[in-house]
Amino acid sequence: DAKTTQPPSMDCAEGRAANLPCNHSTISGNEYVYWYRQIHSQGPQYIIHGLKNNETNEMASLIITEDRKSSTLILPHATLRDTAVYYCIPLSGTYKYIFGTGTRLKVLA
Amino acid sequence: GAGVSQSPRYKVAKRGQDVALRCDPISGHVSLFWYQQALGQGPEFLTYFQNEAQLDKSGLPSDRFFAERPEGSVSTLKIQRTQQEDSAVYLCASSLGFQQTYNEQFFGPGTRLTVL
Repeated sequence: DAKTTQPPSMDCAEGRAANLPCNHSTISGNEYVYWYRQIHSQGPQYIIHGLKNNETNEMASLIITEDRKSSTLILPHATLRDTAVYYCIPLSGTYKYIFGTGTRLKVLA
Repeated sequence: GAGVSQSPRYKVAKRGQDVALRCDPISGHVSLFWYQQALGQGPEFLTYFQNEAQLDKSGLPSDRFFAERPEGSVSTLKIQRTQQEDSAVYLCASSLGFQQTYNEQFFGPGTRLTVL
């Protein structure tokens, strides 16, 4: 499984876009990139995933570089409730998530 | 519908005691996972069930840890002779099936175990 590098922490002003980067330079061709977040005292929550193409859903957008060595999760209009730890998880095979330490995003009022 | 539930939410044990942590997955979910999350760290995989079969227990840290899912729904994680290093949040997750494109795991709120 690919190793990931994420900044340990980031701040974002409420209402602005939050851009969370993830480096996964050793990702293999069949590994999807999954993003989860974990709000304090809760279990992780699925956000989005992708393979090659950019993806968007009601929560976020996922931009994957053409060489697939990095990706960016975009929360278009961050709110205080988006304060959480965000995990980038390359995944091959079917089930074994490797979370790492993630990025602690703090949304500031 | 109901999500994944876990009980108890908090458990305090004296060193050497046995504990049992329960997970109720989403109804109909084939796959069930247990993770251990130490303070300030991301969750770490412990074990995986497909229905009642335990297909992967590679993450269980010692033979004091045992998990079961006898009827393919509710699961129990048991820790015998607890040690202080077992203090952590234990997370349970379930997912609908196997296919990679449907691999979203739904997590419960976790059980916080403190061993004194």
